[in-house]
Amino acid sequence: DAGITQSPRYKITETGRQVTLMCHQTWSHSYMFWYRQDLGHGLRLIYYSAAADITDKGEVPDGYVVSRSKTENFPLTLESATRSQTSVYFCASSEGGGYTFGSGTRLTVV
Amino acid sequence: AQKVTQAQTEISVVEKEDVTLDCVYETRDTTYYLFWYKQPPSGELVFLIRRNSFDEQNEISGRYSWNFQKSTSSFNFTITASQVVDSAVYFCALSSLMDTGRRALTFGSGTRLQVQP
Repeated sequence: DAGITQSPRYKITETGRQVTLMCHQTWSHSYMFWYRQDLGHGLRLIYYSAAADITDKGEVPDGYVVSRSKTENFPLTLESATRSQTSVYFCASSEGGGYTFGSGTRLTVV
Repeated sequence: AQKVTQAQTEISVVEKEDVTLDCVYETRDTTYYLFWYKQPPSGELVFLIRRNSFDEQNEISGRYSWNFQKSTSSFNFTITASQVVDSAVYFCALSSLMDTGRRALTFGSGTRLQVQP
């Protein structure tokens, strides 16, 4: 089915571990984004990508790494997870001023 | 820098009341989009509306209406005759097409609406 898929939906990891959140879109939209949602902050931009192999930092990039070797995939890696990275993570894609969001990944760092 | 302010953190109303959610934005761009999203308790983000900065006409969709005023940089959302199913967190957001760095949506902190039966 066409759309934007995030995996996993839920993840529990330990402090210090590396974890990767996956995001896949089927439309070949140029832009992709990663947001984190925390109570009282709304959604804050972590990283975005304007095209394959083009990525840039958003508002809260520290502790995260992204890559975009293919247009359809935009994985987000937490290199060494910390408890402050416990959050809900949303991936989105965009073309022509429209935005589509994935269902989110709820990450808990213990 | 772009900024969206939703000053109302939480609103509680009784079913059938009308309710207005406020949104004030800041941008230096002349071409931009404004959005409203709904996030029900299930957690997904549901798109409600997108408005181009050149179109100041108010819009109505069923019980929902939006008032866009560039003069006050506001994009308010009114729900008429609220229902329990309207209980959710509502986000206002802003994006610009003027350069790559401002293509991302900038969100307000959200307003939690509770509609009591």
